[in-house]
Amino acid sequence: RKEVEQDPGPFNVPEGATVAFNCTYSNSASQSFFWYRQDCRKEPKLLMSVYSSGNEDGRFTAQLNRASQYISLLIRDSKLSDSATYLCAVNSPSGNTPLVFGKGTRLSVIA
Amino acid sequence: EAGVAQSPRYKIIEKRQSVAFWCNPISGHATLYWYQQILGQGPKLLIQFQNNGVVDDSQLPKDRFSAERLKGVDSTLKIQPAKLEDSAVYLCASSLERWDSNQPQHFGDGTRLSIL
Repeated sequence: RKEVEQDPGPFNVPEGATVAFNCTYSNSASQSFFWYRQDCRKEPKLLMSVYSSGNEDGRFTAQLNRASQYISLLIRDSKLSDSATYLCAVNSPSGNTPLVFGKGTRLSVIA
Repeated sequence: EAGVAQSPRYKIIEKRQSVAFWCNPISGHATLYWYQQILGQGPKLLIQFQNNGVVDDSQLPKDRFSAERLKGVDSTLKIQPAKLEDSAVYLCASSLERWDSNQPQHFGDGTRLSIL
């Protein structure tokens, strides 16, 4: 099983729709979780950290399910500008182990 | 706050040639990372520095890749000799402190390398 797995998509959704992505991780001791957004031919940009209790930032909600070892990202009221690839990143608890990224999920919001 | 600076933005070389990339992290960030991102994949860590020391280089192909961060600020990544499979975007990232795993990493624009 890969360390971090994501459905590559693409997810094609109409404007205004609600869309959710999941990301599973294999190391049950992982402590830190992030969602990054990457536009075509651009660098990944931090979208939000994922906290144990779940967190929300405007139209974006991130949740962590430790029992099932996945994190999720929910986007409400999708905008055309949300079209991008969404990468999840997981940090292993070992001090020397870096962030491990998933391959990303591609989202296309259609007018 | 200025972000992570990388140069060049693009590089095209022939296989077996050498190439070097430069990165200047966000001011005050002790930890610096070099990632390789192949098309359709997530970033893969090549090497991680804490100040001027190497923390993790387990995935760096050391027969051809090398990196340094001599003064604990700027860093260079070199490939010598390049192979076709090295075609990728090379991303530099930095974060405040390694041991605080909740610190997010901030990425530079990357260098897009094409090997002919």
